[in-house]
Amino acid sequence: DAKTTQPNSMESNEEEPVHLPCNHSTISGTDYIHWYRQLPSQGPEYVIHGLTSNVNNRMASLAIAEDRKSSTLILHRATLRDAAVYYCIPSGGATNKLIFGTGTLLAVQP
Amino acid sequence: DAGVIQSPRHEVTEMGQEVTLRCKPISGHNSLFWYRQTMMRGLELLIYFNNNVPIDDSGMPEDRFSAKMPNASFSTLKIQPSEPRDSAVYFCASRDRGTYNEQFFGPGTRLTVL
Repeated sequence: DAKTTQPNSMESNEEEPVHLPCNHSTISGTDYIHWYRQLPSQGPEYVIHGLTSNVNNRMASLAIAEDRKSSTLILHRATLRDAAVYYCIPSGGATNKLIFGTGTLLAVQP
Repeated sequence: DAGVIQSPRHEVTEMGQEVTLRCKPISGHNSLFWYRQTMMRGLELLIYFNNNVPIDDSGMPEDRFSAKMPNASFSTLKIQPSEPRDSAVYFCASRDRGTYNEQFFGPGTRLTVL
C-alpha cells in the first residue's frame, strides 16, 4: 500500500479557496487517488477520485501532479460545513481496499 | 434510498458479553466493508465481502471477532467475548459493482465495553 503524507491540520476562512496537499511518492501506476472526508460524528464520505488527469465534480477539484507523486484537493469556496478530516488514499488493483491514514483536519473560520 | 443502515447506533455492554453489530448495505451494492475507528489507531479496515463472500479478513484483530454476510442485504459483526479495548465506533460501508471504489458509509455504531 502506498504511504501518504498530509498536513495534520489546516485553517481556512469561509468563502475562500482551500488547497489540501497530499504526497504519495510510492503510489503504483495503477492506483487511483481517492479523497474522502469525515465530518464530526459521521462516517466518511466520498469526495472525488482520479488517476492522471485533473478532475472536477460538484464538491471539489482534484489536481494531480504529472509524476503522480502528489495531489491537491481544492475546495473552491469553503463553507462552515466543509470543516472535517480529509483523507487522501491511493488505492487500486483487484481489491480496491481503502487504507485510511491520519488525514488533515480542516478548520473553517466564519 | 435510505443509505447504509447500521444498528444499534449505540451499545454499552460489560466485559465478557457477546456483542452483535448489524449492517444493511445499499440495495444493489455487491461489496461490503467493516471498519473500526479509535483515537489511537484511526480508521481500520477489518474485513470486506464481495458478493457475500469474505475476501480479506486480515484486519480482524483476533478470534473473538467474526463477521458474516448470509445474504446481499445483511451483515453482522460479532465480538465474543467483548473486552474494554474493543470500545470504538464501528462503521459499515457498501460499494456498487459499477462504481470504482466509491464507498458509502453508514452512521456507525458506538460501542462501549465496560
